[in-house]
Amino acid sequence: ETGVTQTPRHLVMGMTNKKSLKCEQHLGHNAMYWYKQSAKKPLELMFVYNFKEQTENNSVPSRFSPECPNSSHLFLHLHTLQPEDSALYLCASSIGLEQFFGPGTRLTVL
Amino acid sequence: GIQVEQSPPDLILQEGANSTLRCNFSDSVNNLQWFHQNPWGQLINLFYIPSGTKQNGRLSATTVATERYSLLYISSSQTTDSGVYFCAVEGQGAQKLVFGQGTRLTINP
Repeated sequence: ETGVTQTPRHLVMGMTNKKSLKCEQHLGHNAMYWYKQSAKKPLELMFVYNFKEQTENNSVPSRFSPECPNSSHLFLHLHTLQPEDSALYLCASSIGLEQFFGPGTRLTVL
Repeated sequence: GIQVEQSPPDLILQEGANSTLRCNFSDSVNNLQWFHQNPWGQLINLFYIPSGTKQNGRLSATTVATERYSLLYISSSQTTDSGVYFCAVEGQGAQKLVFGQGTRLTINP
């Protein structure tokens, strides 16, 4: 238990669906991150939020839309995804340099 | 951007053996972390070690920042040590972790 929770843990969706991933941290951190882990690629950063403001978008397609309403919550809104978007999506948080990760959401796009 | 290379990619050992995993990186770093990813995908923090040496039970890590490498040592391996070990670094001025490809460790009973 790292203090970072993610829901749902598993998600199967069609290409025309809209869904959202949720991340919550109970550590008092001020930065939150989305990472993607695909089968054939290393873990890669998607977005960074500091004090609710987006400070990094790592060239992520617009079908992924992040939202950070406060420093404890982070969402990833998904729409019109492609099968190649199937992956493990990991949320992390930090207050200094050390990042702590949630358990991930395993997403399958049919 | 900064490059991270881990070796070996795969390592198979018998229970009780010792192992050394290596992480090379291409530039100066503010942050270096070692993680263990369990079969369910959870990344477990092992060490935050941008420089120096740390020990935690059977695990220890050393980072030589001037030579741009880090080593993770696992002594008296147990089957529960199996999984993928990742090294991740954060370059100076960049607020993002760049991950290596990982080392898949298999400990056989």
